[in-house]
Amino acid sequence: DSGVTQTPKHLITATGQRVTLRCSPRSGDLSVYWYQQSLDQGLQFLIQYYNGEERAKGNILERFSAQQFPDLHSELNLSSLELGDSALYFCASSAGGRAGDTQYFGPGTRLTVL
Amino acid sequence: QQQVKQSPQSLIVQKGGISIINCAYENTAFDYFPWYQQFPGKGPALLIAIRPDVSEKKEGRFTISFNKSAKQFSLHIMDSQPGDSATYFCAANAGGTSYGKLTFGQGTILTVHP
Repeated sequence: DSGVTQTPKHLITATGQRVTLRCSPRSGDLSVYWYQQSLDQGLQFLIQYYNGEERAKGNILERFSAQQFPDLHSELNLSSLELGDSALYFCASSAGGRAGDTQYFGPGTRLTVL
Repeated sequence: QQQVKQSPQSLIVQKGGISIINCAYENTAFDYFPWYQQFPGKGPALLIAIRPDVSEKKEGRFTISFNKSAKQFSLHIMDSQPGDSATYFCAANAGGTSYGKLTFGQGTILTVHP
């Protein structure tokens, strides 16, 4: 158990809908990362937050947004969902926010868009 | 230029054998190279990592070999065990304004037969 929690574990929704994925980092970790894992794209970095502020951004779609709250938990919002958004979404956390800081991954949220 | 290419896609090894997974990169700004291990239904977990100032790092049965001039690095698993059966991902980070952003290879599914 990495200490990173993600809810829900599974999410099934329809195209055009909006969903929110939630992540609680390990106790004491200030940085949160979001990754998308799919069969065709592999593991893709979406976005990183450090102590509430956005730090780094990957190829995150404009339909996707994230934030980190004062209690350090994070939410990833996915809107106008498409079939291609079906994937595993992982949250990771680290103590700091730099290269070399070990990232601890949560168990993931499996999103299915029908 | 942000890509990390990983091979092979899948690997079958007998118990006690050596598993070798290779990765190549193009971006010379990459300066941190972790390997992650992922079991089915779980998030990736850091296995071992290296920086380009060393050519080799060993932790137990796991060794990273790094060739800076060739822009290649590899993971060697000695005395492979059935419990090592998992998907392995190499990754890279450029530091600086990339902060903790990891660029992952496509993954290698390792199967160790008893």
